[in-house]
Amino acid sequence: KNQVEQSPQSLIILEGKNCTLQCNYTVSPFSNLRWYKQDTGRGPVSLTIMTFSENTKSNGRYTATLDADTKQSSLHITASQLSDSASYICVVGGYGGATNKLIFGTGTLLAVQP
Amino acid sequence: NAGVTQTPKFRVLKTGQSMTLLCAQDMNHEYMYWYRQDPGMGLRLIHYSVGEGTTAKGEVPDGYNVSRLKKQNFLLGLESAAPSQTSVYFCASSSQTGWNEQFFGPGTRLTVL
Repeated sequence: KNQVEQSPQSLIILEGKNCTLQCNYTVSPFSNLRWYKQDTGRGPVSLTIMTFSENTKSNGRYTATLDADTKQSSLHITASQLSDSASYICVVGGYGGATNKLIFGTGTLLAVQP
Repeated sequence: NAGVTQTPKFRVLKTGQSMTLLCAQDMNHEYMYWYRQDPGMGLRLIHYSVGEGTTAKGEVPDGYNVSRLKKQNFLLGLESAAPSQTSVYFCASSSQTGWNEQFFGPGTRLTVL
């Protein structure tokens, strides 16, 4: 069964600290992996998109890594800010038609405290 | 550019009532999608469209209908609302499939009593 599992479910860190969010997937076949940020009451916003041939991709203070062999990805946030408080969703794309068969994780809820 | 907009933002319905959710995008995207987001679950695809005049079923299409009469608009209809359709609905659009990112609207929170 195609699944995307994220850990931890929730996380509290102090402003300025770093953190790493994890994503494990069992989607097959696999074509790409995306990380989205979803602020409370808003729609998801794309942070990174990686294909199976990419190991890492950065977007400002956000760095995503991908190990296609172990089917794991991580999102590292550097020098966290209060505005980083949000849900971070891992999304894995398989092959299959117009929708690319996106499988969404349930997200990690991050709270950054002053 | 407004990106992807959704109307309304909130709605409360009684069981059996009908309604239409409107999604509009100004990015000239070919593909448009409707998702629902429920607590403890990832977003699930309801219906999608690959171009004006086309629609297709997603993962959870039962109880919903859609129409794409104009390229920039994608409508989601509930003919007879049920409490199980209480959810947050997101519309998204993308320029093409493959790696291109999907741009999401702000969501519509629907409660069915």
